[in-house]
Amino acid sequence: GDSVTQMEGPVTLSEEAFLTINCTYTATGYPSLFWYVQYPGEGLQLLLKATKADDKGSNKGFEATYRKETTSFHLEKGSVQVSDSAVYFCALKETNAGKSTFGDGTTLTVKP
Amino acid sequence: DSGVTQTPKHLITATGQRVTLRCSPRSGDLSVYWYQQSLDQGLQFLIQYYNGEERAKGNILERFSAQQFPDLHSELNLSSLELGDSALYFCASSGRQGNNSPLHFGNGTRLTVT
Repeated sequence: GDSVTQMEGPVTLSEEAFLTINCTYTATGYPSLFWYVQYPGEGLQLLLKATKADDKGSNKGFEATYRKETTSFHLEKGSVQVSDSAVYFCALKETNAGKSTFGDGTTLTVKP
Repeated sequence: DSGVTQTPKHLITATGQRVTLRCSPRSGDLSVYWYQQSLDQGLQFLIQYYNGEERAKGNILERFSAQQFPDLHSELNLSSLELGDSALYFCASSGRQGNNSPLHFGNGTRLTVT
C-alpha cells in the first residue's frame, strides 16, 4: 500500500537557519504530494502541493520539488523564523483515491 | 479559518461509554474524512464519505461508525470506549474526488477516556 516516510524529529534550529525536512513516498500510481503544517492547538493546514513530477510547490518561503526518480518531496526553507515552529506533515493522495496518506510528522522548533 | 467546524472541542468520558463527534464540512465540499491523531501512531485515516456514501475505509475499529447526512455534515460514533481511544479526532473535507484536491481540516475534538 501507499506510505510516506519523514525524517524523524524533533528538529531544533536557530532563527535564520536553513531548513530541510526529508520526505520519501511509496505509491503504486501517480500521486499528488502535499506538505501540511499544524500549529499548536489547531488542525492541519495546507502549506504547499505538487501534482506531477518536477513540479515545485512553494508558499511562505517554503519549497518542495516532486522528484519521481527518487520518490521524494523534501521541504526546504532558506531562513526559518520563530513563527515557523510547528509540526510538518508530508502526505500523498493517489489518483482516483479518496484518502490521503500522511507521514508521522516532524516537529520543528526555532529558537531566537 | 479552514471553514470546517468540529464539535465538541473537548470530551471527557469513562470507559465503556459512547460518544458522538460532529463535523460540518467547508461550504460546497462533498467529501468528509475522519482521522485519529495519537502521540504514538501519528495521523491515522479512519473513513471517508462522499456525498452521503462511504467511499474509503481505513483503520477504523468495529466499535466505531460514521455517517454523512443529506446536508453533508458527518458524525463519528465511538462506542464501548477504551483508554486507548483517547486521542485527537480530526475531520477534513475536500471538494473534488481528483487527486490534487487538498484536505481542509477542522481544529479537532480531543477525546479523553478515563
